[in-house]
Amino acid sequence: SAVISQKPSRDICQRGTSLTIQCQVDSQVTMMFWYRQQPGQSLTLIATANQGSEATYESGFVIDKFPISRPNLTFSTLTVSNMSPEDSSIYLCSVEDPGRAHNEQFFGPGTRLTVL
Amino acid sequence: GQSLEQPSEVTAVEGAIVQINCTYQTSGFYGLSWYQQHDGGAPTFLSYNALDGLEETGRFSSFLSRSDSYGYLLLQELQMKDSASYFCAVKTTDSWGKLQFGAGTQVVVTP
Repeated sequence: SAVISQKPSRDICQRGTSLTIQCQVDSQVTMMFWYRQQPGQSLTLIATANQGSEATYESGFVIDKFPISRPNLTFSTLTVSNMSPEDSSIYLCSVEDPGRAHNEQFFGPGTRLTVL
Repeated sequence: GQSLEQPSEVTAVEGAIVQINCTYQTSGFYGLSWYQQHDGGAPTFLSYNALDGLEETGRFSSFLSRSDSYGYLLLQELQMKDSASYFCAVKTTDSWGKLQFGAGTQVVVTP
């Protein structure tokens, strides 16, 4: 199974600033996914990050607000730009382990972001 | 578009059986997954169905009927540690592995 770490685990930020979240996987994976989970809500996919190409964003999410980097097969970053209190959420990265027959996705522990 | 519906909350006593239903509307359906998430934790994979029928994994089982666009997660011999949120999630044929999650069902297990 894939082991995923995220940094930071939590942060409190001021309105108008930006925060970059790192996601590190212990094995090489093709696709990495970034989700947002607002308090008490479900997970919403922000974008899919494929190494060597631009990330693919879901409806309602744009690159200017959530720029993503994917420099290699084990690492990705998500930046939350020009933050507002509405960006307060848990941000999770995940990967699908291609070696698993049942399409299991593994999630990082999440980054809990509070914007004041 | 895609949509998934599941109950918001279920309460049951220890030792009981709970069934969480999930109905979905999507084009290009590929499979239905179930994830468990404890408060403050990351979602963890429980089960996956791509074909009709029942998949059993210990105390947890999952069922899928593709013709009815319906699935359920069955939790047997409930334990206090099963108190968590449970999400169904759809994978589609054009989604490269990405998942769309339902709103989640909060399961509360009481003594």
